[in-house]
Formats: sequence, C-alpha cells, structure tokens
Amino acid sequence: GQQLNQSPQSMFIQEGEDVSMNCTSSSIFNTWLWYKQDPGEGPVLLIALYKAGELTSNGRLTAQFGITRKDSFLNISASIPSDVGIYFCAGQTSGTYKYIFGTGTRLKVLA
Amino acid sequence: AAGVIQSPRHLIKEKRETATLKCYPIPRHDTVYWYQQGPGQDPQFLISFYEKMQSDKGSIPDRFSAQQFSDYHSELNMSSLELGDSALYFCASSLRSFGWEAFFGQGTRLTVV
Repeated sequence: GQQLNQSPQSMFIQEGEDVSMNCTSSSIFNTWLWYKQDPGEGPVLLIALYKAGELTSNGRLTAQFGITRKDSFLNISASIPSDVGIYFCAGQTSGTYKYIFGTGTRLKVLA
Repeated sequence: AAGVIQSPRHLIKEKRETATLKCYPIPRHDTVYWYQQGPGQDPQFLISFYEKMQSDKGSIPDRFSAQQFSDYHSELNMSSLELGDSALYFCASSLRSFGWEAFFGQGTRLTVV
C-alpha cells in the first residue's frame, strides 16, 4: 500500500532554532496536509497544499508541495517550547476519499 | 467555530463486548473519515463516507462497521472486541467542494480489558 516516510523521526532543538522536516512517497499526491498532534489529542491542521510547487505560510510555519508531487516539506522558524509535539504529513491521491498519514516527526524544543 | 465532536471521550470495554463510537462533523461538511491510532503509531485510515455513502475503505476489520446518517453524523460499531482494538479512534470531516481540508475531533480512547 501507499506509504509516506517522514524524516527525521525525532529531533531535539534549541529554542529559537529553525526546524525542517520532510515527507516522501513513491506515490503521487494531489493534496498534502500538515498536522501537529499533542499526546492524547486529535491532530490539528496546520497547513494545506493543493498544487505542485506551492509554498504556503502560516505564521512561523512554511510548507511546500514538491514539484514531483511525491514529497512535501515543513519548516518552522524560531522554534518555541510550545512547538513540542508530533508533526504528521498526510497525503490524498486523486479520486480517493482518504488521507494517508506519514510516520511522524517528534519534535522536542530545549528552552 | 464549531469543531468535530466525538463521543464518548473514553470508553472501557471487556473482550468480546461491543462498542459504538459517535462522530458529529463540522456543520455543512459532507465527508467523514475514521482513523485508528495505536500507541506511538500514526493514524491508520479505516473508512470514509461522502454524502452518507461509503466512499473509501482501509484496513478496517470485518468486526467493525460504520455508517453515516441523514444528519451527517457517523457511528463506528465495533463488535467482538479484542485487546488489540485498544487505541485512539479519531473522526475527521471535510467539505469536498472546499479544498478537502480534514479537521479532526478530539478522539475516543477505547480500552479493551
């Protein structure tokens, strides 16, 4: 089945640093969503991407839809302690009514 | 703004019992998705409904069934529960004509003992 590989799996960073993570697949996706999930809570939508090459920002977050439509990137600038959590990408292929989730990137911010 | 509402938030059942999880999508959203998330895992797609019709199916056990009602709320029915069914179950909803952005509820934590 379709798989989305996220990297890195986890990362520790200092407060104020920038963070980059990516999501790759062997399949082509029409839509990419990025979520943040806190323990025991539901995923919260951060950014949605709909076109290859699209670059979208939401505050300190910036995400891009890869040109090949097989990958996506999320950047967080000037990280703060509340950025701690698990970040998931999720992709949807044309004609389907489901999102496939990536394996997640666990972010820990050191104050 | 109204969000996706799931009930109950927590549920404890014994093996072989039945559980029903409910999901109330964001008003006017026409698509509902169900996901299962085990400890330390990513959410796994179970099933989705568009305009009250089943639209896609993932790795949902035969013991599970779901439906979407005329008021667009959805229920996930789980029978013959097994210990391995213990997980967080999430419902999400989206509006097909508005970008397919899927918004998740707070989830139901099911514990099978």
